Amino acid sequence: SQQGEEDPQALSIQEGENATMNCSYKTSINNLQWYRQNSGRGLVHLILIRSNEREKHSGRLRVTLDTSKKSSSLLITASRAADTASYFCATVDNTGFQKLVFGTGTRLLVSP
Amino acid sequence: NAGVTQTPKFQVLKTGQSMTLQCAQDMNHEYMSWYRQDPGMGLRLIHYSVGAGITDQGEVPNGYNVSRSTTEDFPLRLLSAAPSQTSVYFCASSPRGGAQYFGPGTRLTVL
Repeated sequence: SQQGEEDPQALSIQEGENATMNCSYKTSINNLQWYRQNSGRGLVHLILIRSNEREKHSGRLRVTLDTSKKSSSLLITASRAADTASYFCATVDNTGFQKLVFGTGTRLLVSP
Repeated sequence: NAGVTQTPKFQVLKTGQSMTLQCAQDMNHEYMSWYRQDPGMGLRLIHYSVGAGITDQGEVPNGYNVSRSTTEDFPLRLLSAAPSQTSVYFCASSPRGGAQYFGPGTRLTVL
């Protein structure tokens, strides 16, 4: 079963705008990770946020985590056409091995 | 470092055939995993390994076998291919507690 649910399923914006994607999950977690997948390619790790963290930044990326609501958001600021991709959240629980459980992804289209 | 490599990139099988998808990593990572990605489904974990000689089942293990005789290699075997196994397969590796590094994927079609 899928753990994470991304919202929206698809997002279309213009270059320079900000893009916000949300992820909700069901069980308690050790950490939550965001990945990007360009069409036909493998996944690339973007950022990892641990359950005791509330916000994390990496370049134009900002991730928040609200464990009380079991939700996370990914903000991409000043988007570029090269940001066009699918974005997935994945959670790791506390049972030992860090099994990533992926959501179904948000497809982001950034138009020039 | 080559990172995570997968072979082949593409494969077409007939129902009932068997084959092995290869995965290798040169980062000395403890953990390795196999996922499949179906359209609109996200990635689902097939099998994983926390070290050489140790493997376990993920969410969708039926029809697949794995072994981990070395730290570097984690092959995935399809025992008797079925059309339901048509998918894109990704191998990943990670250090303990870290992010996962994915290979480029193998696109498998079972006729």
